[in-house]
Amino acid sequence: EPEVTQTPSHQVTQMGQEVILRCVPISNHLYFYWYRQILGQKVEFLVSFYNNEISEKSEIFDDQFSVERPDGSNFTLKIRSTKLEDSAMYFCASKEGTLDEILAKNIQYFGAGTRLSVL
Amino acid sequence: AQKVTQAQTEISVVEKEDVTLDCVYETRDTTYYLFWYKQPPSGELVFLIRRNSFDEQNEISGRYSWNFQKSTSSFNFTITASQVVDSAVYFCALSAITSYDKVIFGPGTSLSVIP
Repeated sequence: EPEVTQTPSHQVTQMGQEVILRCVPISNHLYFYWYRQILGQKVEFLVSFYNNEISEKSEIFDDQFSVERPDGSNFTLKIRSTKLEDSAMYFCASKEGTLDEILAKNIQYFGAGTRLSVL
Repeated sequence: AQKVTQAQTEISVVEKEDVTLDCVYETRDTTYYLFWYKQPPSGELVFLIRRNSFDEQNEISGRYSWNFQKSTSSFNFTITASQVVDSAVYFCALSAITSYDKVIFGPGTSLSVIP
């Protein structure tokens, strides 16, 4: 069964460093998302991306964050200068494209996550 | 505003017992979608079920069943004859049509099934 793939599974970085989290969404999906889960807390929406632009973002998604779809298969989240409070599990998700599919299903499929540890 | 509440933070049951996980949601939209996701100890989020607001039929899938009641804004999840492999955190989630890009998650219920 097709799945969303995220790499790496665990990323350790020093405070102030830039990190890029990578995701390969399901191949025929057109909507892409990033969510964050601080340890022991709920999953929080960060950003949605469609047609090569951000369609919605949360207040968490400030100027330190950016997303990109550099080619036809990858979807990346960049954190420019990491802070201790950025330590969390980051989930990528994708969803099918047509309006009919969205109204009929509207299911976001999640990857296994990347655990980011900022030291 | 949209919100999902899962009042049960942690539940422990003995294997083979039935368990119900509660979920209450808030939205002003008349069209919305409700979901349950499972997060096992390995950390991934596994989609379990989706319901849209026009379909109040209850659903059963093996040992899992879901009870959607619009009148009480609830979407409860029951596991019958629980197994150790059911131990996980379960998230109820909501996506409203006016903001269908965003899934709002509840705080999760941690279920421990004891052998």
